[in-house]
Amino acid sequence: TQLLEQSPQFLSIQEGENLTVYCNSSSVFSSLQWYRQEPGEGPVLLVTVVTGGEVKKLKRLTFQFGDARKDSSLHITAAQPGDTGLYLCAGGSSGSARQLTFGSGTQLTVLP
Amino acid sequence: GAGVSQTPSNKVTEKGKYVELRCDPISGHTALYWYRQSLGQGPEFLIYFQGTGAADDSGLPNDRFFAVRPEGSVSTLKIQRTERGDSAVYLCASSLTGQGATFFGQGTRLTVV
Repeated sequence: TQLLEQSPQFLSIQEGENLTVYCNSSSVFSSLQWYRQEPGEGPVLLVTVVTGGEVKKLKRLTFQFGDARKDSSLHITAAQPGDTGLYLCAGGSSGSARQLTFGSGTQLTVLP
Repeated sequence: GAGVSQTPSNKVTEKGKYVELRCDPISGHTALYWYRQSLGQGPEFLIYFQGTGAADDSGLPNDRFFAVRPEGSVSTLKIQRTERGDSAVYLCASSLTGQGATFFGQGTRLTVV
Protein backbone atom coordinates (compact mmCIF):
# COMPACT_ATOMS: atom_id res chain seq x y z
CA THR A 1 0.00 0.00 0.00
CA GLN A 2 1.37 3.38 -1.01
CA LEU A 3 1.11 6.07 1.64
CA LEU A 4 1.82 9.77 1.52
CA GLU A 5 2.53 11.65 4.73
CA GLN A 6 2.17 15.40 4.83
CA SER A 7 3.65 17.73 7.39
CA PRO A 8 2.84 19.82 9.19
CA GLN A 9 -0.81 18.87 9.59
CA PHE A 10 -1.73 22.42 10.63
CA LEU A 11 0.10 25.70 10.00
CA SER A 12 -0.93 29.18 11.05
CA ILE A 13 1.23 32.11 10.00
CA GLN A 14 1.10 35.87 9.57
CA GLU A 15 0.69 37.53 6.20
CA GLY A 16 4.05 38.10 4.53
CA GLU A 17 5.81 35.09 6.07
CA ASN A 18 7.31 32.24 4.07
CA LEU A 19 6.44 28.60 4.60
CA THR A 20 7.19 25.11 3.37
CA VAL A 21 5.01 22.02 3.53
CA TYR A 22 6.25 18.52 2.92
CA CYS A 23 4.94 15.36 1.33
CA ASN A 24 6.86 12.14 1.96
CA SER A 25 6.53 8.50 1.03
CA SER A 26 8.53 5.29 1.08
CA SER A 27 7.12 4.53 -2.39
CA VAL A 28 8.17 5.83 -5.77
CA PHE A 29 5.55 7.73 -7.75
CA SER A 30 5.52 8.38 -11.48
CA SER A 31 4.02 11.80 -10.88
CA LEU A 32 3.14 14.04 -7.99
CA GLN A 33 0.32 16.56 -7.96
CA TRP A 34 -0.46 19.36 -5.53
CA TYR A 35 -4.02 20.53 -4.93
CA ARG A 36 -5.64 23.24 -2.84
CA GLN A 37 -9.07 22.66 -1.37
CA GLU A 38 -11.38 25.19 0.24
CA PRO A 39 -14.35 24.32 2.49
CA GLY A 40 -17.29 22.89 0.58
CA GLU A 41 -15.33 22.61 -2.64
CA GLY A 42 -13.41 19.91 -4.44
CA PRO A 43 -9.61 19.98 -4.71
CA VAL A 44 -8.21 22.29 -7.40
CA LEU A 45 -5.05 21.21 -9.20
CA LEU A 46 -2.08 23.54 -8.72
CA VAL A 47 0.74 21.66 -10.41
CA THR A 48 1.96 18.28 -11.66
CA VAL A 49 5.61 17.24 -11.43
CA VAL A 50 6.86 14.13 -13.19
CA THR A 51 10.67 14.21 -13.26
CA GLY A 52 12.91 13.53 -10.26
CA GLY A 53 14.50 16.80 -9.14
CA GLU A 54 12.00 18.89 -11.06
CA VAL A 55 11.21 22.36 -9.76
CA LYS A 56 8.16 24.31 -10.89
CA LYS A 57 7.19 27.84 -9.97
CA LEU A 58 3.70 29.25 -10.01
CA LYS A 59 3.88 32.93 -8.97
CA ARG A 60 4.75 32.80 -5.24
CA LEU A 61 4.53 29.00 -5.07
CA THR A 62 7.54 26.75 -5.71
CA PHE A 63 7.09 23.01 -6.04
CA GLN A 64 9.89 20.46 -5.94
CA PHE A 65 9.86 16.74 -6.69
CA GLY A 66 12.57 14.74 -4.94
CA ASP A 67 15.34 13.12 -6.96
CA ALA A 68 14.07 9.65 -6.05
CA ARG A 69 10.44 10.63 -6.77
CA LYS A 70 9.40 9.69 -3.23
CA ASP A 71 8.91 13.15 -1.77
CA SER A 72 7.89 16.67 -2.65
CA SER A 73 7.71 20.10 -1.11
CA LEU A 74 5.66 23.23 -1.60
CA HIS A 75 7.18 26.56 -0.65
CA ILE A 76 5.08 29.74 -0.48
CA THR A 77 6.81 33.10 -0.42
CA ALA A 78 5.18 36.12 1.24
CA ALA A 79 1.97 34.29 2.11
CA GLN A 80 -1.33 36.11 1.74
CA PRO A 81 -4.73 35.46 3.39
CA GLY A 82 -5.97 34.22 0.02
CA ASP A 83 -3.51 31.32 0.30
CA THR A 84 -5.54 29.90 3.19
CA GLY A 85 -6.78 26.40 2.48
CA LEU A 86 -6.08 22.68 2.66
CA TYR A 87 -3.05 21.71 0.60
CA LEU A 88 -3.06 18.13 -0.62
CA CYS A 89 -0.35 16.18 -2.38
CA ALA A 90 -1.29 13.20 -4.51
CA GLY A 91 0.91 10.57 -6.08
CA GLY A 92 0.23 8.84 -9.36
CA SER A 93 1.57 5.43 -10.30
CA SER A 94 2.47 4.04 -13.68
CA GLY A 95 0.66 1.05 -14.99
CA SER A 96 -2.96 0.44 -15.77
CA ALA A 97 -4.43 2.03 -12.65
CA ARG A 98 -5.02 5.75 -12.83
CA GLN A 99 -5.91 6.31 -9.21
CA LEU A 100 -4.24 9.00 -7.16
CA THR A 101 -3.00 8.35 -3.65
CA PHE A 102 -3.61 11.42 -1.51
CA GLY A 103 -1.90 12.62 1.62
CA SER A 104 -4.05 13.80 4.54
CA GLY A 105 -3.25 17.42 3.80
CA THR A 106 -1.82 20.52 5.44
CA GLN A 107 -4.36 23.04 6.68
CA LEU A 108 -2.82 26.48 6.15
CA THR A 109 -4.20 29.62 7.73
CA VAL A 110 -2.68 32.96 6.81
CA LEU A 111 -3.67 35.70 9.23
CA PRO A 112 -3.92 39.32 8.01
CA GLY B 1 -20.48 21.53 -19.04
CA ALA B 2 -17.85 23.94 -17.83
CA GLY B 3 -16.86 21.83 -14.85
CA VAL B 4 -17.60 18.57 -13.05
CA SER B 5 -21.09 18.73 -11.60
CA GLN B 6 -22.30 16.59 -8.70
CA THR B 7 -25.81 16.22 -7.38
CA PRO B 8 -27.12 16.45 -4.79
CA SER B 9 -24.66 18.67 -2.93
CA ASN B 10 -25.98 17.34 0.37
CA LYS B 11 -27.82 14.13 1.19
CA VAL B 12 -29.10 13.02 4.58
CA THR B 13 -30.40 9.47 4.77
CA GLU B 14 -31.37 6.98 7.41
CA LYS B 15 -29.25 3.98 8.23
CA GLY B 16 -30.19 1.06 6.01
CA LYS B 17 -31.53 3.15 3.14
CA TYR B 18 -30.30 3.14 -0.48
CA VAL B 19 -28.75 6.26 -2.02
CA GLU B 20 -27.60 7.32 -5.46
CA LEU B 21 -25.04 10.06 -6.09
CA ARG B 22 -24.71 11.56 -9.54
CA CYS B 23 -21.68 12.92 -11.38
CA ASP B 24 -21.70 14.82 -14.67
CA PRO B 25 -18.08 15.08 -15.89
CA ILE B 26 -16.54 17.67 -18.16
CA SER B 27 -17.79 17.14 -21.70
CA GLY B 28 -15.42 14.94 -23.70
CA HIS B 29 -13.53 13.56 -20.71
CA THR B 30 -13.26 9.80 -21.05
CA ALA B 31 -11.81 9.14 -17.60
CA LEU B 32 -14.00 9.45 -14.51
CA TYR B 33 -13.09 8.81 -10.88
CA TRP B 34 -14.94 8.54 -7.59
CA TYR B 35 -13.20 9.37 -4.33
CA ARG B 36 -14.40 9.53 -0.74
CA GLN B 37 -13.13 12.13 1.73
CA SER B 38 -13.67 11.81 5.45
CA LEU B 39 -13.29 14.75 7.79
CA GLY B 40 -9.65 15.74 8.23
CA GLN B 41 -8.42 13.32 5.60
CA GLY B 42 -7.38 13.41 1.98
CA PRO B 43 -9.58 11.86 -0.68
CA GLU B 44 -9.54 8.07 -0.88
CA PHE B 45 -9.85 6.35 -4.27
CA LEU B 46 -12.98 4.30 -4.91
CA ILE B 47 -13.32 3.54 -8.63
CA TYR B 48 -12.03 4.62 -12.04
CA PHE B 49 -13.92 4.46 -15.35
CA GLN B 50 -12.37 4.68 -18.78
CA GLY B 51 -15.35 5.19 -21.07
CA THR B 52 -18.22 2.96 -20.01
CA GLY B 53 -16.18 0.32 -18.21
CA ALA B 54 -14.82 0.25 -14.70
CA ALA B 55 -11.08 -0.03 -15.30
CA ASP B 56 -10.24 -0.21 -11.60
CA ASP B 57 -12.75 -0.75 -8.78
CA SER B 58 -10.21 -1.83 -6.19
CA GLY B 59 -11.09 1.04 -3.86
CA LEU B 60 -14.74 0.13 -3.33
CA PRO B 61 -14.91 -0.82 0.37
CA ASN B 62 -17.43 -3.65 0.04
CA ASP B 63 -20.25 -4.98 -2.14
CA ARG B 64 -22.71 -2.38 -0.84
CA PHE B 65 -20.99 0.10 -3.14
CA PHE B 66 -21.51 0.03 -6.89
CA ALA B 67 -20.99 2.55 -9.68
CA VAL B 68 -22.11 2.71 -13.29
CA ARG B 69 -21.41 4.86 -16.32
CA PRO B 70 -23.66 3.34 -18.99
CA GLU B 71 -23.08 5.85 -21.80
CA GLY B 72 -19.56 6.90 -20.99
CA SER B 73 -20.61 10.27 -19.62
CA VAL B 74 -22.74 10.62 -16.48
CA SER B 75 -21.90 8.27 -13.63
CA THR B 76 -23.93 7.17 -10.64
CA LEU B 77 -22.47 5.88 -7.38
CA LYS B 78 -24.92 3.61 -5.60
CA ILE B 79 -24.76 2.66 -1.94
CA GLN B 80 -27.04 -0.02 -0.54
CA ARG B 81 -27.97 -0.51 3.13
CA THR B 82 -26.16 2.64 4.18
CA GLU B 83 -24.24 2.65 7.46
CA ARG B 84 -23.22 5.59 9.66
CA GLY B 85 -19.61 4.91 8.66
CA ASP B 86 -20.48 5.75 5.05
CA SER B 87 -20.89 9.40 6.05
CA ALA B 88 -18.33 11.41 4.09
CA VAL B 89 -17.93 13.75 1.12
CA TYR B 90 -18.04 11.79 -2.12
CA LEU B 91 -15.96 13.48 -4.82
CA CYS B 92 -16.14 12.86 -8.53
CA ALA B 93 -13.33 13.84 -10.89
CA SER B 94 -12.68 13.60 -14.60
CA SER B 95 -9.73 13.91 -16.94
CA LEU B 96 -9.42 13.99 -20.70
CA THR B 97 -7.80 10.61 -21.21
CA GLY B 98 -6.82 9.25 -17.80
CA GLN B 99 -3.54 11.08 -17.85
CA GLY B 100 -2.89 14.73 -17.26
CA ALA B 101 -4.91 17.18 -15.25
CA THR B 102 -7.74 15.86 -13.09
CA PHE B 103 -10.69 18.13 -12.35
CA PHE B 104 -12.84 17.59 -9.28
CA GLY B 105 -16.48 18.40 -8.61
CA GLN B 106 -17.60 20.12 -5.44
CA GLY B 107 -18.63 16.83 -3.89
CA THR B 108 -21.75 15.35 -2.32
CA ARG B 109 -21.82 15.44 1.46
CA LEU B 110 -23.54 12.23 2.60
CA THR B 111 -24.75 11.99 6.17
CA VAL B 112 -26.20 8.71 7.42
CA VAL B 113 -28.23 9.12 10.60
